[in-house]
Amino acid sequence: DTAVSQTPKYLVTQMGNDKSIKCEQNLGHDTMYWYKQDSKKFLKIMFSYNNKELIINETVPNRFSPKSPDKAHLNLHINSLELGDSAVYFCASSQGGRGGYEQYFGPGTRLTVT
Amino acid sequence: GNSVTQMEGPVTLSEEAFLTINCTYTATGYPSLFWYVQYPGEGLQLLLKATKADDKGSNKGFEATYRKETTSFHLEKGSVQVSDSAVYFCSREDTGRRALTFGSGTRLQVQP
Repeated sequence: DTAVSQTPKYLVTQMGNDKSIKCEQNLGHDTMYWYKQDSKKFLKIMFSYNNKELIINETVPNRFSPKSPDKAHLNLHINSLELGDSAVYFCASSQGGRGGYEQYFGPGTRLTVT
Repeated sequence: GNSVTQMEGPVTLSEEAFLTINCTYTATGYPSLFWYVQYPGEGLQLLLKATKADDKGSNKGFEATYRKETTSFHLEKGSVQVSDSAVYFCSREDTGRRALTFGSGTRLQVQP
C-alpha cells in the first residue's frame, strides 16, 4: 500500500548508457514531479506533470525525457548518461495546486554513473 | 524569484536539548511554507506546514510559525530525541506554478 513508489531503488550503470526510472502513485493525485538531489543534499525540481500534461520543465538537459502514460505514472528516461547525472532522483505527487498542498515523495532512486 | 535559506549544519545536540533550525524565504507573494524531514536512506516526509501569516504548524513536538514580517519559518522542538536525527528541509510554494523550492537542508545529529 505504498503511496508513491519508484523502481529501481538503486541503479548503477556506465557512461553513455540509456536508463529509465519508473514512478507510480496510488493516491489519486493529479500532479506528479521529478526532483534531483545532489551529493550535498540540495533538492531541485526537474519536471512536473498535471493530468498527464507537462507544466514545469526546468533547465534540464534534453537527454532527460519524462513520460506520463496516465495520471498515476510518471517515468524518467535518461539518454547518454554522464558522470554528473549521478544523484538521487525523487518522484513526488500532490493533489491540486496552490494553497498549502503537500507533496508526497517516493523513496528515491540512487543513480550511480561510472 | 523564489528562494529559501536555511542555517548550515550539521547541528549536534544532546538528547532532551532545545532545537532551533532557522529558515527564511523570499517574500514573493504569500506562499505556503513547509518543513520536510528525510531520515537516512528514505524519501522526504512532510513534517508540518503553514499556509498564511501567523499560522503555526506543529507535529511530533516540532513547531514553526509563519512570520511574514521577518519572512521566517524557524523550526523548533523543546526536547529532541535520538530518533529525530535526520536532515530537515524548509520549503516554500513557488509563485505562479505547482512546485516547491527547498532550502539546502540541515542535518541534525542527536547524541544520547
